[in-house]
Amino acid sequence: EVQVLESGGGLVQPGGSLRLSCAASGFSFSNSGMSWIRQSPGKGLEWVSGISGSGGLTYYADSVKGRFTISRDNSKDTLYLQMNSLRADDTATYYCAKLMTIFGPSLVDVWGQGTTVTVSS
Amino acid sequence: DIQMTQSPSSLSASIGDRVTITCRASQGINNNLAWYQQKPGKLPKLLIYGASTLQLGVPSRFSGSGSGTDFTLTISSLQPEDVATYYCQKYYSAPCTFGQGTRLEIK
Repeated sequence: EVQVLESGGGLVQPGGSLRLSCAASGFSFSNSGMSWIRQSPGKGLEWVSGISGSGGLTYYADSVKGRFTISRDNSKDTLYLQMNSLRADDTATYYCAKLMTIFGPSLVDVWGQGTTVTVSS
Repeated sequence: DIQMTQSPSSLSASIGDRVTITCRASQGINNNLAWYQQKPGKLPKLLIYGASTLQLGVPSRFSGSGSGTDFTLTISSLQPEDVATYYCQKYYSAPCTFGQGTRLEIK
């Protein structure tokens, strides 16, 4: 079964850092682009970041550029999102998403269950 | 960046009605447009990609059309299980922006 499972969410103070992880299974991880997508409580979906299968190409939303870093370890079938300088408006459920192609810009065919990040003092 | 604008933001319709949701891109995106359905408390589900290709397992009452900047999601005969929020997403290039969503309710 194709699965992605996030971990690493939690409560963090404004200005703090957090690293999310996403463990993949059931598919060829290195041949799949991956993304992080977030959803604030009661709000819509916001695309955050994407990465190609090799990890050589990365993409970011303007709202997180310079603060968040997406990366992957294909030897461990794991995706990461390093989040620095966190702000209250980063509070959301963060979804790990498997993309339909090997490229970063692509559509999602598998969603993780999400991990919740709360930025508050 | 290319902006995606969905309309309406909310919609109430009767069972059996034909429902149409539109999505407009601020620049041309060819047919690199997907539609997702998110039921309350659930994960988003891919309905349509390539603007008009139905994902496997999605009921045939759902259809998509459009190319360039203007796109449409149509439900030919609304069913109770279609209550959800619908999102378009462009994947022509990054950022792969979502529309703001259309909340569909039963009248």
